[in-house]
Amino acid sequence: NAGVTQTPKFRVLKTGQSMTLLCAQDMNHEYMYWYRQDPGMGLRLIHYSVGEGTTAKGEVPDGYNVSRLKKQNFLLGLESAAPSQTSVYFCASSLGTENTGELFFGEGSRLTVL
Amino acid sequence: GNSVTQMEGPVTLSEEAFLTINCTYTATGYPSLFWYVQYPGEGLQLLLKATKADDKGSNKGFEATYRKETTSFHLEKGSVQVSDSAVYFCALSRFSGGYNKLIFGAGTRLAVHP
Repeated sequence: NAGVTQTPKFRVLKTGQSMTLLCAQDMNHEYMYWYRQDPGMGLRLIHYSVGEGTTAKGEVPDGYNVSRLKKQNFLLGLESAAPSQTSVYFCASSLGTENTGELFFGEGSRLTVL
Repeated sequence: GNSVTQMEGPVTLSEEAFLTINCTYTATGYPSLFWYVQYPGEGLQLLLKATKADDKGSNKGFEATYRKETTSFHLEKGSVQVSDSAVYFCALSRFSGGYNKLIFGAGTRLAVHP
């Protein structure tokens, strides 16, 4: 039972490079989320999706884009990476409207931008 | 607005000591409350939750009671183990904008020594 899987686990980028983080879930969840985790700041929501083909902005969306072409996948893109985007990124998923608020998280992707 | 405040860490304890991690919240209405735990190198996972006032969530020897009058959800454990060393996040959940929005505290690191 894989749950939520993120790739890659680690990545180092130079300023201005682009990359995509992939999140896949096998629980048939409707909702998916991308968070970033920074020291002393907890988790902040970047973008989220309430279903296939839909996306919406969270608290800190600037500099990121997302796509949800398939229900099980949620992609996070950085078009032009900046040092401020050095962080640990977590994908999560949850049930749909019957969701009680419990999220299922991936193991995280550590991104360093030089 | 909605927010969660946790006690700053790190909290360092000896094995079998009593643990309290304070959490208070600000929210309109009656949110659901959660404690998530993040073990080293892993994603967050739900530890316990409470959905209404005076509810007590419990799991793995941890407990927290939803106190509406003090807007608190303090995490307690009677006897900690080395394996409890992790970062603990308090969170609240509100349904807004078509999804259950989860707002996290900054996290409290717990280190338990033999």
